[in-house]
Amino acid sequence: KQEVTQIPAALSVPEGENLVLNCSFTDSAIYNLQWFRQDPGKGLTSLLLIQSSQREQTSGRLNASLDKSSGRSTLYIAASQPGDSATYLCAVRRIQGAQKLVFGQGTRLTINP
Amino acid sequence: NAGVMQNPRHLVRRRGQEARLRCSPMKGHSHVYWYRQLPEEGLKFMVYLQKENIIDESGMPKERFSAEFPKEGPSILRIQQVVRGDSAAYFCASSLDLNEQFFGPGTRLTVL
Repeated sequence: KQEVTQIPAALSVPEGENLVLNCSFTDSAIYNLQWFRQDPGKGLTSLLLIQSSQREQTSGRLNASLDKSSGRSTLYIAASQPGDSATYLCAVRRIQGAQKLVFGQGTRLTINP
Repeated sequence: NAGVMQNPRHLVRRRGQEARLRCSPMKGHSHVYWYRQLPEEGLKFMVYLQKENIIDESGMPKERFSAEFPKEGPSILRIQQVVRGDSAAYFCASSLDLNEQFFGPGTRLTVL
């Protein structure tokens, strides 16, 4: 059974810092991994999708890496801004079987002005 | 291209009533997924549908819950005889193929 863990559960940093969010998964046989952002009371916004054959993806100030063999992904946020404050979720999709996403519990990020 | 649409955004029901949640996928998307987010818990998969077919319902409670995605119209998640434990945010997602899933804003169900 695939389990996804995100550490830390909450993180508070001053504006302008670079930071890393961690995601680990127990079964390395994944099809892809997706990072989302969720604002309070809102839906999920897809940030980055990494296919199992890829090592990283970049979008603006965000960079996500994937090490499938060790069951880990990181989301790097450069030059953080207060608008980055949200909960960040990672989710994995298995190679075979159901097409469902298995989510971690999320990291609640607060950027202090 | 409009995103995934869900309605209603908020739904209040009394115990024993029925709840119907609707989801219109992004244009051209034929894959629809429903997830539930219980208070203080992560998102959990419920069901995956394609047009007129339920492909995977492994996350659906065995009783009172059903889902459909008809040939025409939105996907419907139906909860019969709601109980307080059904109070949650229900999210719909759609995808063009088996890659990136795009999520709607969710329906927040409150059972009194």
